[in-house]
Amino acid sequence: AQTVTQSQPEMSVQEAETVTLSCTYDTSESNYYLFWYKQPPSRQMILVIRQEAYKQQNATENRFSVNFQKAAKSFSLKISDSQLGDTAMYFCAFMTLSGNTGKLIFGQGTTLQVKP
Amino acid sequence: GAVVSQHPSWVICKSGTSVKIECRSLDFQATTMFWYRQFPKQSLMLMATSNEGSKATYEQGVEKDKFLINHASLTLSTLTVTSAHPEDSSFYICSAPTGVSSGNTIYFGEGSWLTVV
Repeated sequence: AQTVTQSQPEMSVQEAETVTLSCTYDTSESNYYLFWYKQPPSRQMILVIRQEAYKQQNATENRFSVNFQKAAKSFSLKISDSQLGDTAMYFCAFMTLSGNTGKLIFGQGTTLQVKP
Repeated sequence: GAVVSQHPSWVICKSGTSVKIECRSLDFQATTMFWYRQFPKQSLMLMATSNEGSKATYEQGVEKDKFLINHASLTLSTLTVTSAHPEDSSFYICSAPTGVSSGNTIYFGEGSWLTVV
């Protein structure tokens, strides 16, 4: 069974600074996706970034980038130039590409507060 | 705009009654949909996989007789909480994948707050 672990329940960062959220996972699969989702107080799930495991290059989306270390099963999210609107709960998630795809396994979540 | 619509957003029901939540894919057909439950300040826990035209697959510990899932068409899955009790109060959210041929994108509904009084 796959597991996803986020060891930082809460983090804070000053506006315009950089913050890194940690995520580790465990799987015996070789073909999978990893995600970071943002959940603001509205509870809407917003996709931040997706990484395909077969890709060596780390995914980036504007101010968001990941450090994907497949051998170490680590998948951290870096937010650069933090903005007040980045304040939210962030979830790391795993999805296998074998069998029943679409099923997401979530980490515990990290609540991020961006301070002015 | 939203490609997965969930309704209702908020619902209050009396203890002992049943309540139905709908999850609808608007722009694509979804043979599989997923239902999650989220308690305050906690993560999303997968409850079940909704399979079009066949029985849902429930995760360990989820009561299938209490949380009835029906996937009657390629665009609609429903979750019915039967004989609701206050401990069933929670945030319920569905998701639907577009499938491999469409990039394996996962779309979430807006979620439904259920309060049982």
